[in-house]
Amino acid sequence: NAGVTQTPKFQVLKTGQSMTLQCAQDMNHEYMSWYRQDPGMGLRLIHYSVGAGITDQGEVPNGYNVSRSTTEDFPLRLLSAAPSQTSVYFCASSYLLRTDTQYFGPGTRLTVL
Amino acid sequence: AQTVTQSQPEMSVQEAETVTLSCTYDTSESDYYLFWYKQPPSRQMILVIRQEAYKQQNATENRFSVNFQKAAKSFSLKISDSQLGDAAMYFCARRSGRDNTDKLIFGTGTRLQVFP
Repeated sequence: NAGVTQTPKFQVLKTGQSMTLQCAQDMNHEYMSWYRQDPGMGLRLIHYSVGAGITDQGEVPNGYNVSRSTTEDFPLRLLSAAPSQTSVYFCASSYLLRTDTQYFGPGTRLTVL
Repeated sequence: AQTVTQSQPEMSVQEAETVTLSCTYDTSESDYYLFWYKQPPSRQMILVIRQEAYKQQNATENRFSVNFQKAAKSFSLKISDSQLGDAAMYFCARRSGRDNTDKLIFGTGTRLQVFP
């Protein structure tokens, strides 16, 4: 069982470049989310989705776009990368119940020069 | 703001000893869920233990247990018989139930070192 997968594992970008971080889950979870992890700040929610076609902003959404065309996939797009977006990015998924545990992907380490 | 606070940036423990990691949170909700996640150097976020706020009984998972004090909004993690493999960052998190959005709010983490 693959669980939550993320690609790539590492990425280096130049300021102004765009890219998409991929996230996929094979557990038929309705809820998917993106977090970023910065030193001393824990994980902060960027965007989330409660089902295909439905997305909403989290705590730190600026500079990021998401879409949810299928239940399985939830890509995160950086339209014009900035050094402030250097971080480790985690995707997570769960069933749409407060009782359920969120399962995390292995993370993507992004560096913006 | 609905926050989660981990006041211990770093902790250390001798192998086979017991250590307690602290966590406090702020919420106006009566029904919510609390979690401890472990993040080893591999970066993978691993669920350690979870607690439902409506349950009086403290959750236990093998060597891991919590001390949940709802009135004090405290949720500490006790690791018994510490092992070298327990060395990691530990994050406390609360799952918000407002608007059914299922957001996880994390603390800033505690780095646990385990000495042989």
